[in-house]
Amino acid sequence: KQEVTQIPAALSVPEGENLVLNCSFTDSAIYNLQWFRQDPGKGLTSLLLIQSSQREQTSGRLNASLDKSSGRSTLYIAASQPGDSATYLCAVRSGTYKYIFGTGTRLKVLA
Amino acid sequence: KAGVTQTPRYLIKTRGQQVTLSCSPISGHRSVSWYQQTPGQGLQFLFEYFSETQRNKGNFPGRFSGRQFSNSRSEMNVSTLELGDSALYLCASSTDLATQETQYFGPGTRLLVL
Repeated sequence: KQEVTQIPAALSVPEGENLVLNCSFTDSAIYNLQWFRQDPGKGLTSLLLIQSSQREQTSGRLNASLDKSSGRSTLYIAASQPGDSATYLCAVRSGTYKYIFGTGTRLKVLA
Repeated sequence: KAGVTQTPRYLIKTRGQQVTLSCSPISGHRSVSWYQQTPGQGLQFLFEYFSETQRNKGNFPGRFSGRQFSNSRSEMNVSTLELGDSALYLCASSTDLATQETQYFGPGTRLLVL
């Protein structure tokens, strides 16, 4: 049974810092992995989607890597800004029509 | 393109009642997935529909059901509501979840059961 874990659960950093969020999964047989952002009380916004055959994806200040063999993905945020404050969720497509979500990392970037 | 829309946005019900939530996917999307989000359990998969067929179902009791219409709009129903059903219910759409494409989420319906 696929399990997805995110560490740390919460993170508070000063503006301008580079930071790394971690996502671990127990079953390496995945189709893809997706990182989302969720603002309080809102739906999810897709940030990056990494296919199982890829090692990383980049979008602006965000870079996500995937190491299937070790069951890990990291989301790197460069030069963090207060507007980056949100909960970040990773989701693994495990099984043909199903995503398993991690518990999220709540990020606060202090001005 | 309009995004995924969910109605209603907020709902208050009492135990024992039943509720129906609606999701309209992005135009052209035929796959709709439903998730329940609670502080204790996080985001949990409920079910996925494609072309009016349920292709996968999560580990929820039979009180949770859904359907999809020919225009890809989807509804989920929860019967005999329990306090623990209080949650944010999110739906997501994609062209086809079987392809390697992203899901787009709606804003959610927040259900409070008293």
